[in-house]
Amino acid sequence: TQLLEQSPQFLSIQEGENLTVYCNSSSVFSSLQWYRQEPGEGPVLLVTVVTGGEVKKLKRLTFQFGDARKDSSLHITAAQPGDTGLYLCARLRANNLFFGTGTRLTVIP
Amino acid sequence: NAGVTQTPKFQVLKTGQSMTLQCAQDMNHEYMSWYRQDPGMGLRLIHYSVGAGITDQGEVPNGYNVSRSTTEDFPLRLLSAAPSQTSVYFCASSYSRGSVSGANVLTFGAGSRLTVL
Repeated sequence: TQLLEQSPQFLSIQEGENLTVYCNSSSVFSSLQWYRQEPGEGPVLLVTVVTGGEVKKLKRLTFQFGDARKDSSLHITAAQPGDTGLYLCARLRANNLFFGTGTRLTVIP
Repeated sequence: NAGVTQTPKFQVLKTGQSMTLQCAQDMNHEYMSWYRQDPGMGLRLIHYSVGAGITDQGEVPNGYNVSRSTTEDFPLRLLSAAPSQTSVYFCASSYSRGSVSGANVLTFGAGSRLTVL
């Protein structure tokens, strides 16, 4: 059973465009993390959000945690080819992190 | 500081063969885990360990065994490989055992790509 649903599954955009990807669940999260994975490598943590309504910025990336802590979004402004990768959200449950299916982003130069 | 090291990077097996994927970390992390990654399914937890001598099952443990005799090492064993185990396997570790505040940050290895024919 997939606890986290990510959309869209695939996204291909031109350099300079803006985009938003989503992570949703029917249950409340205590916290949520976003990771980025590049080909041939393991995922790398981008951010952790904990408080409902929280907004965090990492350069051109803006992460938002829903007020009810059931959803999160990642917005990228003026996408660059270096943003290409698989974006994964993950929630902490008991001792472990459980991941969504991911959004595969391709930024075309 | 090497982080999380996985070996081998690539492996091809025949159905029924056994093998061990190695994972070592040099960060003195208590928590270690194994995930498999398949197209369209994200990362799924196979087994995990919260410390030496302690292991437990994740979402998809069938067909895999683990042990944790030292803090540094967490090998994943396939006793009788099946084509359904063709996947990319990731080992990950973290210092925190799990926290409601969300401080648990996973450091991943580079992955081991396994093909079972």
